[in-house]
Amino acid sequence: DTGVSQDPRHKITKRGQNVTFRCDPISEHNRLYWYRQTLGQGPEFLTYFQNEAQLEKSRLLSDRFSAERPKGSFSTLEIQRTEQGDSAMYLCASRQETYNEQFFGPGTRLTVL
Amino acid sequence: GNSVTQMEGPVTLSEEAFLTINCTYTATGYPSLFWYVQYPGEGLQLLLKATKADDKGSNKGFEATYRKETTSFHLEKGSVQVSDSAVYFCALSDFQGAQKLVFGQGTRLTINP
Repeated sequence: DTGVSQDPRHKITKRGQNVTFRCDPISEHNRLYWYRQTLGQGPEFLTYFQNEAQLEKSRLLSDRFSAERPKGSFSTLEIQRTEQGDSAMYLCASRQETYNEQFFGPGTRLTVL
Repeated sequence: GNSVTQMEGPVTLSEEAFLTINCTYTATGYPSLFWYVQYPGEGLQLLLKATKADDKGSNKGFEATYRKETTSFHLEKGSVQVSDSAVYFCALSDFQGAQKLVFGQGTRLTINP
């Protein structure tokens, strides 16, 4: 068990560019969550997958954001036409169906210039 | 909607001092309650949890009791160490559905030797 991994750890991009982040959950975990954390704040929920199905999306997730989890394994989060307000730490977490504890990855820090 | 309010930081204490970080919540139904910790340069880690009223979560000398009557889940430790310096987040999750985490804003704790 290597824990939840995220790639890249840091991403610097220019406003208007598209970016994609990857999350690899713990292998037996069927639930996967994305959160966003801005400086000095707690993480905020973005979206949730149960296996490959995206079951809930936050109102924070504008049309420029899209997430996928093909085959119920890794997940990707894409941000199109990035804006400076998208600068944040993007966190991924996973958990087993029957045990209510989420395990977090190290996060991807996005900076939009 | 659900929400979590933590005491404002930062909090600075001397080693071996008693620690209390206040946390109150607003939720419908019967949420589970958590304390997560974020050490410098590391990801979020679960510190302790409680799933029903009057449950006490404990770990590494930290304790918190689920108080439904006061909708609180205050974190306490009898004697803090320099290594406890970190950011602490109180969070809740719904009993059903996505069971996504709703976090407080975090409390930065610094312990001086």
